[in-house]
Amino acid sequence: EAGVAQSPRYKIIEKRQSVAFWCNPISGHATLYWYQQILGQGPKLLIQFQNNGVVDDSQLPKDRFSAERLKGVDSTLKIQPAKLEDSAVYLCASSRGQGDYEQYFGPGTRLTVT
Amino acid sequence: AQTVTQSQPEMSVQEAETVTLSCTYDTSESDYYLFWYKQPPSRQMILVIRQEAYKQQNATENRFSVNFQKAAKSFSLKISDSQLGDAAMYFCAYRRLPGAGGTSYGKLTFGQGTILTVHP
Repeated sequence: EAGVAQSPRYKIIEKRQSVAFWCNPISGHATLYWYQQILGQGPKLLIQFQNNGVVDDSQLPKDRFSAERLKGVDSTLKIQPAKLEDSAVYLCASSRGQGDYEQYFGPGTRLTVT
Repeated sequence: AQTVTQSQPEMSVQEAETVTLSCTYDTSESDYYLFWYKQPPSRQMILVIRQEAYKQQNATENRFSVNFQKAAKSFSLKISDSQLGDAAMYFCAYRRLPGAGGTSYGKLTFGQGTILTVHP
């Protein structure tokens, strides 16, 4: 089965610009996660979707970050406007459901904000 | 809130030798999952091994095994017969169990990671 797809793999933008990342989970996976991984740290959950509904967005900086999962399949994460501290790898993961222990990760998007 | 701590930023091992990576965590819950993930330079996070807290038996997956000490809240990973392909960043992670209460139990809480170098 195809894995979790993410694009782009790399993005460089200037601060105050906007950027969007795309994720296509494994077919049939109802739960989708976006994690932020700052260099030298472990990933931190930004938002979790169950189908097209948000389950947890408690750590999402809502003044600049937004995410959607239309039709409960692929998802986009947007940052507007970007700050220097947003430089990180953004990982998307999916699982069959919330109760399924195994999450499958995509290759991530490395964002550099200059 | 749950926290996960990995106190070894870097570890190294000779090929074919054994290495142990340490992890401690803090939680007030009695049932949960613990995981070790491997992240090579390609950034793809790969599940290495998992442990259910209600199981006393330590999990084993081929050359990978864990030492789970629930009372001490310790969860170490032992890699036997280390191979060059084991070189990566290793993350310890915690996850609540379904039914533990609240609406969100899917998220993983990660430690800071340990970089493992394998010398030929």
